[in-house]
Amino acid sequence: NAGVMQNPRHLVRRRGQEARLRCSPMKGHSHVYWYRQLPEEGLKFMVYLQKENIIDESGMPKERFSAEFPKEGPSILRIQQVVRGDSAAYFCASSATGFKETQYFGPGTRLLVL
Amino acid sequence: AQSVTQLGSHVSVSEGALVLLRCNYSSSVPPYLFWYVQYPNQGLQLLLKYTSAATLVKGINGFEAEFKKSETSFHLTKPSAHMSDAAEYFCAVSRMDSSYKLIFGSGTRLLVRP
Repeated sequence: NAGVMQNPRHLVRRRGQEARLRCSPMKGHSHVYWYRQLPEEGLKFMVYLQKENIIDESGMPKERFSAEFPKEGPSILRIQQVVRGDSAAYFCASSATGFKETQYFGPGTRLLVL
Repeated sequence: AQSVTQLGSHVSVSEGALVLLRCNYSSSVPPYLFWYVQYPNQGLQLLLKYTSAATLVKGINGFEAEFKKSETSFHLTKPSAHMSDAAEYFCAVSRMDSSYKLIFGSGTRLLVRP
């Protein structure tokens, strides 16, 4: 039973480039969450999505960041025109439902902006 | 607003000794509380969670935590540390009305000495 999958595991971008992070939830899960972990800090909630819907994006930076979870395929976190401050580990989690359900985390994508 | 404080960014114990990792929370509404473990370069794994049932919660790998409302605490314990317990541990809180939005503490790195 495959867990939450994220790719790439490591991503290096130069300032001004775009970063696309992918997340495939566990089989049977239709709720996806993205978190960001800055060095030496805990994870910070970014966005909660269901298939084709953004439920809560209160943790997303207002500019340059977007997320989607299409009907088919993985969830995508997109960062445009990356800056050095975007360097972090980005974790995706999934759950079967959105209420009181355990969130299962993927291994994360470590983004390094040069 | 909710927040989580983990006392001690690093805790060192001898193999076989008691493990105690501290977590205090603030919440204006009844919370859900979680402990996650993160091994190097891996995602987070749920150890245990409190969702308003029994105040003493037993988790995986011999860990347990006790919810103490009067002290706003949810400390994690294990009677006897193993070398394999060395990892980073995160305490998290969520609101009952938005249980999907986990708010994490900054983490405690547990070191186990032979």
